Amino acid sequence: AQTVTQSQPEMSVQEAETVTLSCTYDTSESDYYLFWYKQPPSRQMILVIRQEAYKQQNATENRFSVNFQKAAKSFSLKISDSQLGDAAMYFCAYRRPSYNNNDMRFGAGTRLTVKP
Amino acid sequence: DARVTQTPRHKVTEMGQEVTMRCQPILGHNTVFWYRQTMMQGLELLAYFRNRAPLDDSGMPKDRFSAEMPDATLATLKIQPSEPRDSAVYFCASGSGITYGYTFGSGTRLTVV
Repeated sequence: AQTVTQSQPEMSVQEAETVTLSCTYDTSESDYYLFWYKQPPSRQMILVIRQEAYKQQNATENRFSVNFQKAAKSFSLKISDSQLGDAAMYFCAYRRPSYNNNDMRFGAGTRLTVKP
Repeated sequence: DARVTQTPRHKVTEMGQEVTMRCQPILGHNTVFWYRQTMMQGLELLAYFRNRAPLDDSGMPKDRFSAEMPDATLATLKIQPSEPRDSAVYFCASGSGITYGYTFGSGTRLTVV
């Protein structure tokens, strides 16, 4: 079974600084998808960024980027120029590409605090 | 913006009562998921449907939980009878295709006293 591990229960960053959230996963598949979701206090789950395993290029969305290391099964999220609104729980997620078996598996989450 | 709508947003009920949570997926999305979030277990998959057919409900306690999609615009999750350990936030998510993330609803916070 696929497992997703987020080893940092909590992280903090100074406003305008950069922070990196870690995620590792375990799978025997060669093709899959990885995601980072943000959950602010409103509890809405918001998709931040996604990465296809077959792509070598790291995904980027504005201030958010990932460092995808397929061999190491690592998928970290970098937030640049951190803003107060970035404070939230961040969840790493894994998903198989199978049409009939592609539910999303989540890590335990990392709580990010942004200090003004 | 298209969104997944869940009702109710909050529910407090007494142990033993029936609870029904509803979800309206995004129009055109053919896959619907139910997740449960607790502090101890994090986000757990309970069940999911594709084209209204249940594909996997192995994460759901069968004796008290049931999930259905009576039509393409409505998914329901029912707990009968409810127990205090069912207290959690229940999320519905929908999606289409196999390459994208899912869109989550705002969740139903259930408290069973």
